[in-house]
Amino acid sequence: QKEVEQNSGPLSVPEGAIASLNCTYSDRGSQSFFWYRQYSGKSPELIMSIYSNGDKEDGRFTAQLNKASQYVSLLIRDSQPSDSATYLCAALTGGGNKLTFGTGTQLKVEL
Amino acid sequence: GAGVSQSPRYKVAKRGQDVALRCDPISGHVSLFWYQQALGQGPEFLTYFQNEAQLDKSGLPSDRFFAERPEGSVSTLKIQRTQQEDSAVYLCASSLLSSGGRQFFGPGTRLTVL
Repeated sequence: QKEVEQNSGPLSVPEGAIASLNCTYSDRGSQSFFWYRQYSGKSPELIMSIYSNGDKEDGRFTAQLNKASQYVSLLIRDSQPSDSATYLCAALTGGGNKLTFGTGTQLKVEL
Repeated sequence: GAGVSQSPRYKVAKRGQDVALRCDPISGHVSLFWYQQALGQGPEFLTYFQNEAQLDKSGLPSDRFFAERPEGSVSTLKIQRTQQEDSAVYLCASSLLSSGGRQFFGPGTRLTVL
């Protein structure tokens, strides 16, 4: 079992819809979680971080964390074609010194 | 510069050659990380520096891989006697704090070993 698991997709949503991306993790000691967006051929770009149970909103993005269920999610409202990318979920592990990534979920926003 | 920079952006090496990859972190960032990303996969941790001290090298795949950050700023990842399985994108990230925190990535170096 990988430490951080994501559905590889692709996840296809129509423009303007809500995209929901999910992630589970196995290390109960992980306290900090991050969502990165990675366009094809580019490096990961940090879009959200979350440290406490509940929701955290930033513009069109909402991150959700449920430590009891070991579950992290990212909602993207009013999805745009420019949101089409691979979304990487990451947990801070190793005593808080390294990121462990999932394999990423490919999102396609269709016109 | 404003962000993390890496050089070269692309490197082609013949099997058996040694390569050196450079990373310039964001100015003032204490922590520096190297990751390896294979096609279709998430980045995999290689090693971590806090200032000039290499505190974790558990992800380095073999003793052919060596990293240093002698003055606590620029870092170099060296791969000796490259093999085809070393072909990947090597990403450098830096973080302001001594713990991992929010990490910001450079553009990466794409290494192809022929």
